[in-house]
Amino acid sequence: EVQLVESGGGLVQPGGSLRLSCAASGFSFSSYDMHWVRQAAGKNLEWVSVIDPRGDTFYRDSVKGRFAISRESATNSLFLQMTGLRSEDTAVYYCTASLPASHYGMDVWGQGTTVTVSS
Amino acid sequence: QSALTQPRSVSGSPGQSVTISCTGTSSDVGAYNYVSWYQQHSGKVPKLMIYDVSKRPSGVPDRFSGSKSGYTASLTISGLQAEDEADYYCSSHAGLTPVIFGGGTKLTVL
Repeated sequence: EVQLVESGGGLVQPGGSLRLSCAASGFSFSSYDMHWVRQAAGKNLEWVSVIDPRGDTFYRDSVKGRFAISRESATNSLFLQMTGLRSEDTAVYYCTASLPASHYGMDVWGQGTTVTVSS
Repeated sequence: QSALTQPRSVSGSPGQSVTISCTGTSSDVGAYNYVSWYQQHSGKVPKLMIYDVSKRPSGVPDRFSGSKSGYTASLTISGLQAEDEADYYCSSHAGLTPVIFGGGTKLTVL
C-alpha cells in the first residue's frame, strides 16, 4: 500500500523550532520529488518546499532561511526542520510525493500533521 | 509568488457540466504546460485529478478533463454527480518557484 505518514507536529511558541518527519512506504521513494504542503484552517493549499531525488531543494520565499527540507533514502524518510516559527506558520502540514515526469503533480499525500504556533 | 486566481465558487445541477478557471501569468500558467488540479472533500486530504494540463492519473473518471489557453487553465467536470461537491485547487510550475497553488474553488452540486 502506497502510504505517507507524518509526525512531529504540535504546539510551539513564536520563535521556537519543530522537526516534522514523514515515513514513506509502498513506492520507490528515491525516485520521487518530495514536498511539504500546508493548509491553514479554512484556507487554501500553500506549497512550502520540495527536495528532488538528487537532493536539490527549493522553498517558498516566506520560509527561506527558516525551514530546511531533507530526505534519507536508507529509511525512506522526509523531514522538515522549522526554526523561527511565526503565527502565520500555523497549519496542517502535508507530506506529498510527485514523479519528476508528472511535473509536480502530487499523486501521493499523507494525512497531515498539525503545527500550532502560539504563546 | 502570488496565488493563481480561481473563482470562489461555482455550482451546477446533477448531469450538467461545470468549468473552473485558473488564471496565472506569463511566468507560470502561460509559461509551462505543468498545471495540476486537486479535489479536496471537506475534512479530507487533497487528491490529484489532473496533471500536465490534461492528463488523468489512473482511477480518475474521464468526466474530469483539463485544458489551457494562454494564461488560463480550466477544469471541466461533465455529468456532474453529488460526490463531485468539493473544493478544487489548481497549481502550476512557476520557474524558480516550483509550485504555486490557486485560491481554491468551492463546487456546489445543486
